[in-house]
Amino acid sequence: NAGVTQTPKFQVLKTGQSMTLQCAQDMNHEYMSWYRQDPGMGLRLIHYSVGAGITDQGEVPNGYNVSRSTTEDFPLRLLSAAPSQTSVYFCASSYRSGGADNEQFFGPGTRLTVL
Amino acid sequence: KNQVEQSPQSLIILEGKNCTLQCNYTVSPFSNLRWYKQDTGRGPVSLTIMTFSENTKSNGRYTATLDADTKQSSLHITASQLSDSASYICVVTLSNSGYALNFGKGTSLLVTP
Repeated sequence: NAGVTQTPKFQVLKTGQSMTLQCAQDMNHEYMSWYRQDPGMGLRLIHYSVGAGITDQGEVPNGYNVSRSTTEDFPLRLLSAAPSQTSVYFCASSYRSGGADNEQFFGPGTRLTVL
Repeated sequence: KNQVEQSPQSLIILEGKNCTLQCNYTVSPFSNLRWYKQDTGRGPVSLTIMTFSENTKSNGRYTATLDADTKQSSLHITASQLSDSASYICVVTLSNSGYALNFGKGTSLLVTP
């Protein structure tokens, strides 16, 4: 199993550009989520999904869109990049959202810089 | 106000020494508490899970404790190694529906030779 994969690993954007961060998992997990990690802030939830076709907002959703058309894929779209979106982005998946089966499996991260 | 507080924020210890990281939480209703290890440049990886009825659990040189009454957990690292240098994140799961994970900001541990 590849686990959770993310592409790209690094990306530099100019203000106003749009892009999609890709995330895929091969563990047949229903629950997937996107986080951003900034120095001193810890991991903050952007969006999450409890299954194909179902998404919801997290703590910091502004400027980001998601969709979940399949169980495996959960892309994150930046609509119009801003310097405040410079961060490291992690995708995670789990069998469940709660209970003892909610171990989060994280991808390797995407380091995004917005100039 | 963050409802999962970790201390210290950062810690430097000599190789071979022991250390203890703390996690205090105020969120409820409690389901479980996990400790994750995050190496530099990588995603977090689960070290251990503590449920309400468990007081202590070991994973090699890592031992986690939980006091559900005082809402405190600790992660004790024995005989530290250079590879223990990482950020350690405490995550509390609530027993409610919807998104139920509450993250601490982590403790950054540096083990020096």
